[in-house]
Amino acid sequence: KQEVTQIPAALSVPEGENLVLNCSFTDSAIYNLQWFRQDPGKGLTSLLLIQSSQREQTSGRLNASLDKSSGRSTLYIAASQPGDSATYLCAVRVGSARQLTFGSGTQLTVLP
Amino acid sequence: EPEVTQTPSHQVTQMGQEVILRCVPISNHLYFYWYRQILGQKVEFLVSFYNNEISEKSEIFDDQFSVERPDGSNFTLKIRSTKLEDSAMYFCASSGPGPNEKLFFGSGTQLSVL
Repeated sequence: KQEVTQIPAALSVPEGENLVLNCSFTDSAIYNLQWFRQDPGKGLTSLLLIQSSQREQTSGRLNASLDKSSGRSTLYIAASQPGDSATYLCAVRVGSARQLTFGSGTQLTVLP
Repeated sequence: EPEVTQTPSHQVTQMGQEVILRCVPISNHLYFYWYRQILGQKVEFLVSFYNNEISEKSEIFDDQFSVERPDGSNFTLKIRSTKLEDSAMYFCASSGPGPNEKLFFGSGTQLSVL
């Protein structure tokens, strides 16, 4: 059974700092991996999707990498801003099934 | 930008009562999902729906749960006889037909079972 782990559970950084969030998964036979942002009391917003054949994806200040063989993904946030404060979740899709398995998230606080 | 709409945002019900959670997926999407998040826990998959039938379901999605697409726009989750442990945030999501489509989530329905 696929297990997804995110470290750290919480992170607090000053504004302007670059940071890395980590995600690991136990079954390397993934179809794709998505990073989501969750704001308190709100839904999930998909930030980046990396296909299993890709190594990284970029969107603005966000860069996600994928190393399937080691079961790891990272989300790099450049020049963090207070508006980046949220919980970041990674989720993997395994094989032909469309269901996603989520990690428990990293709660990010960017201090002004 | 198109979005997934969920109603109501909050639902309080008594144990044993039936509840129906409603969702309007993005109009050109073909796959529909329900996930839930119990407070302090991970987001969990419940069910996926395609071509008017369930395509996958988790162990959580037992006989007390059912889904329906009653018309061309709505997608509903029914819990037949609610239990205290059904209290959670329920998220509806939808995605396009491609194999690597992002999921778009609604803002959720907070269900409280008393």
